[in-house]
Amino acid sequence: QVQLVQSGAEVKKPGASVKVSCKASGYTFTSFDVSWVRQVTGQGLEWMGWINPNNGNTGYAEKFQGRVTITRDISRTTSYMELSGLRSNDTAIYYCVRERGGFDPWGQGTLVTVSS
Amino acid sequence: QSALTQPASVSGSPGQSITISCTGTSSDIGYYKFVSWYQQHPGQAPKLLIYEVSNRPSGVSDRFSGSRSGDTAYLTISGLQTEDEADYYCSSYTTTTTVLFGGGTRLTVL
Repeated sequence: QVQLVQSGAEVKKPGASVKVSCKASGYTFTSFDVSWVRQVTGQGLEWMGWINPNNGNTGYAEKFQGRVTITRDISRTTSYMELSGLRSNDTAIYYCVRERGGFDPWGQGTLVTVSS
Repeated sequence: QSALTQPASVSGSPGQSITISCTGTSSDIGYYKFVSWYQQHPGQAPKLLIYEVSNRPSGVSDRFSGSRSGDTAYLTISGLQTEDEADYYCSSYTTTTTVLFGGGTRLTVL
């Protein structure tokens, strides 16, 4: 079945960077864009950016421009989201999602905790 | 860009119908057919309910339906059930090739 499996929880200090991975299976990886969405505990969903796995083109939300980088490794059918300059308010669950008219499926989420 | 506007909460009784609105602009909901709705239960990842304004993925109950009028999209849930109690989010593509989400609506089934 189609699924996205993300890497495990991370704890980082303010100012550090985090890189979350998202391995796709059950479909042709290069045929669908992948987006990254985050959710601060108790708050709503926030779209961060997307990547076209076929050509590597990316687009980012203005809020994260300059701090987020989304990449992919076709041979590993894996997308990566790296967020730099971490702050306490970046503590959130980060999801990868496949774009197919809507976002489906969703990865299981990766909790990133930023704490000194 | 501002988030799409949803009511913070709605409620209904079992068996009733409710509608959640999602208001954007002519640069997002009013422009593209790529409007989606998601259901999220506590502690779980969101689940796609509606895509491209009014299409249901396979496996989603036909009690869920979507529509659009101008810059506002709507999610209607008919025959409310207790398991429908959850948070609901809308999303839309924008003319700047980004995606916006609504702030979310908490549905309470009384």
